[in-house]
Amino acid sequence: QVQLQESGPGLVKPSQTLSLTCTVSGGSISSGGYYWSWIRQHPGKGLEWIGYIYYSGSTYYNPSLKSRVTISVDTSKNQFSLKLSSVTAADTAVYYCARGAGSSWYSPDYWGQGTLVTVSS
Amino acid sequence: SSELTQDPAVSVALGQTVRITCQGDSLRSYYASWYQQKPGQAPVLVIYGKNNRPSGIPDRFSGSSSGNTASLTITGAQAEDEADYYCNSRDSSGTGVFGGGTKLTVL
Repeated sequence: QVQLQESGPGLVKPSQTLSLTCTVSGGSISSGGYYWSWIRQHPGKGLEWIGYIYYSGSTYYNPSLKSRVTISVDTSKNQFSLKLSSVTAADTAVYYCARGAGSSWYSPDYWGQGTLVTVSS
Repeated sequence: SSELTQDPAVSVALGQTVRITCQGDSLRSYYASWYQQKPGQAPVLVIYGKNNRPSGIPDRFSGSSSGNTASLTITGAQAEDEADYYCNSRDSSGTGVFGGGTKLTVL
């Protein structure tokens, strides 16, 4: 059973960079065939897809966030990470990491529990 | 358009059948998936592809699609089905998209 766990600071100051890591257990990122995504949910709101990375390092980002987002992978640690720069209060959200398979990459089947990141001074 | 539109709220009597719909241009080209989310929890995939249920999802959940509309049907709704439901697909540019969510109340 694949499990994903987000980790990182719960509080980030405006204009700084939000950094989160997702640790995958029960399966290897390097095995291929899966797309490792970040998705966020603003408090009391719907879901917003941020982007994904493949084990090879290829990425795709939501155009609305592309200028501020970097997703990277560390296969040796079985982790992938999210960096979101120049954050504002509008970036306050629960951030989820998730795994999507093959042609259904945009519909993740395994999700982390989520981590709340608050942007505030 | 990359938007997916859902009714904000739907209610159903216990044991009855309810359909939750999702509209969007991208649904003419790509399948919709459906997620169930309960308060304080991560979303759970309940339907993906043409009409597939992940392991452990009861068979009272089913999906269908016609034109630009996808539907999630719960046949014989149970109290534990009360949750928010989100449709999900992708757009032509390769971006994953979610609907705004439907709050299902089981009466």
